[in-house]
Amino acid sequence: GAGVSQSPSNKVTEKGKDVELRCDPISGHTALYWYRQSLGQGLEFLIYFQGNSAPDKSGLPSDRFSAERTGGSVSTLTIQRTQQEDSAVYLCASSSEDTQYFGPGTRLTVL
Amino acid sequence: RKEVEQDPGPFNVPEGATVAFNCTYSNSASQSFFWYRQDCRKEPKLLMSVYSSGNEDGRFTAQLNRASQYISLLIRDSKLSDSATYLCVVNPQSSYKLIFGSGTRLLVRP
Repeated sequence: GAGVSQSPSNKVTEKGKDVELRCDPISGHTALYWYRQSLGQGLEFLIYFQGNSAPDKSGLPSDRFSAERTGGSVSTLTIQRTQQEDSAVYLCASSSEDTQYFGPGTRLTVL
Repeated sequence: RKEVEQDPGPFNVPEGATVAFNCTYSNSASQSFFWYRQDCRKEPKLLMSVYSSGNEDGRFTAQLNRASQYISLLIRDSKLSDSATYLCVVNPQSSYKLIFGSGTRLLVRP
């Protein structure tokens, strides 16, 4: 029973570059979430995928952010033209019913 | 007003103490409630669900007060390992989107 995995665990990039963050949810979980957590802050909802339904993108902070989920499993969060304010921990979670299980996160630092 | 509000703390207590956190929520139609625990630089992990009748898991007791729209977490006989941030989580309307509070930080000292 593997949990949610994310890669990379850490990413340092230069302002203006694009980054891709990957999430492998728990097998069989149809729901997948992306959150962002800045230092000392709460979780900020970004996007939600459920099965084949259209994703809820209401939390994406700008059009530089996008996410895909291929085959109902792996998801990729892409941030284009990164800015320093994008620096945060990006957490992925998958869920069975109400309970969300989180991955270890990707710590993104934009220099 | 935030949908879920918590006292950020920190609560600094000695080992063995009893400590309680409250969390208030704004949506009276909220259906499900949870406490998650987050250790420093780690991901949140489910601590316990909160049921209408209240529930207990070892040293941890969670209660729901619908009339006043708050949930509570009581920790008895605090251990050093209880030091963490405790996140209050609410499902507003049996939807998929959980709302996370900003967390209450607990420090248990020797």
